[in-house]
Amino acid sequence: AQTVTQSQPEMSVQEAETVTLSCTYDTSESDYYLFWYKQPPSRQMILVIRQEAYKQQNATENRFSVNFQKAAKSFSLKISDSQLGDAAMYFCAYRKVNNDMRFGAGTRLTVKP
Amino acid sequence: EPEVTQTPSHQVTQMGQEVILRCVPISNHLYFYWYRQILGQKVEFLVSFYNNEISEKSEIFDDQFSVERPDGSNFTLKIRSTKLEDSAMYFCASSPGRIPGETQYFGPGTRLLVL
Repeated sequence: AQTVTQSQPEMSVQEAETVTLSCTYDTSESDYYLFWYKQPPSRQMILVIRQEAYKQQNATENRFSVNFQKAAKSFSLKISDSQLGDAAMYFCAYRKVNNDMRFGAGTRLTVKP
Repeated sequence: EPEVTQTPSHQVTQMGQEVILRCVPISNHLYFYWYRQILGQKVEFLVSFYNNEISEKSEIFDDQFSVERPDGSNFTLKIRSTKLEDSAMYFCASSPGRIPGETQYFGPGTRLLVL
């Protein structure tokens, strides 16, 4: 079974600073996809970034980047120049090819002005 | 930019009643999904739907649940006889097709409260 673990229930960062959210997963597959979703207080699920496991290069989307370590089954999210609007729950998710997504328990990020 | 929509945004119902949650996936998408999130917990997969049939379902998706695509645009989740523990946020999602690892696009959710 695929499981996704987010070991940090809560994280805090000062505005304009950098924060890293951790995620590890367990799988026996070699081909899969990883995602970070953001859930603001409105509870909508918003895609932040995705990573294909076959790609060695880490995905980057503006201020958001990942550190994907396939051998270690680790997929952390780095948020640079944090903004107040980044405050939200962040969910790491794993998906096998054409299958449903498995989510971690989430990390609540607080951004301090 | 096209987006997944869900109605209603909030629903309150009495235990034992039937509810139907509605979703309009992005128009050219072929795969549809329902997830739920009990307050304070992780998002959990319920069911995926492709080509007018269920392609995968979780252990949560028991006989009380059913899904349907009644026309070319709507995708519904029916809970036949609601229980208190069905209270949750229900998310619909869609993805374009059979390209591996496609991103799933989520709707804003329906908050269901069973009294």
